[in-house]
Amino acid sequence: GEDVEQSLFLSVREGDSSVINCTYTDSSSTYLYWYKQEPGAGLQLLTYIFSNMDMKQDQRLTVLLNKKDKHLSLRIADTQTGDSAIYFCAESDTSGTYKYIFGTGTRLKVLA
Amino acid sequence: DVKVTQSSRYLVKRTGEKVFLECVQDMDHENMFWYRQDPGLGLRLIYFSYDVKMKEKGDIPEGYSVSREKKERFSLILESASTNQTSMYLCASSSQTNTEAFFGQGTRLTVV
Repeated sequence: GEDVEQSLFLSVREGDSSVINCTYTDSSSTYLYWYKQEPGAGLQLLTYIFSNMDMKQDQRLTVLLNKKDKHLSLRIADTQTGDSAIYFCAESDTSGTYKYIFGTGTRLKVLA
Repeated sequence: DVKVTQSSRYLVKRTGEKVFLECVQDMDHENMFWYRQDPGLGLRLIYFSYDVKMKEKGDIPEGYSVSREKKERFSLILESASTNQTSMYLCASSSQTNTEAFFGQGTRLTVV
């Protein structure tokens, strides 16, 4: 079945760039997402990319998609302490199932 | 402002009790989802619904049921709560265009 995998932890220093990686298995994925979860809160959409794109940039966020390797990454430039959170990669398709498949989440810790 | 509201932030129930988790969205979304979130396992889909009175099993439906009598409300039911159902439960909704899922704040359920 579909599977989305992420590493569980990442620690970076304030001001450095963070790169969070994700691999997925479903080649029919139409959209790929990055969600952020702050402590005690639900998930909020950070950005998403269509499967026919290679890259998307939104201010400090850069998403790279390698369809051949089924690899998605999220780069956060100039990481701040407020970026400390859990980041989830997710995929969905438009084949009619309407399901989102989420990864395990990567806990990002930003050190001052 | 779009909103998905879960009826409780924290809930403590006894083993064997019947538990209802309620979720309401105000965006007229067709799709609604229930996930549970556990450390190291990410979000796992319990059930989803793409229309009133329609429901589909997700990846871990055992021990749960759902009800969607009205478009804006999606209820998760634990028929006989067990300690292994202690978890964070997240409700989400999305439109048929499937570009973003909106999440509630979550209900942390403890079964003792």
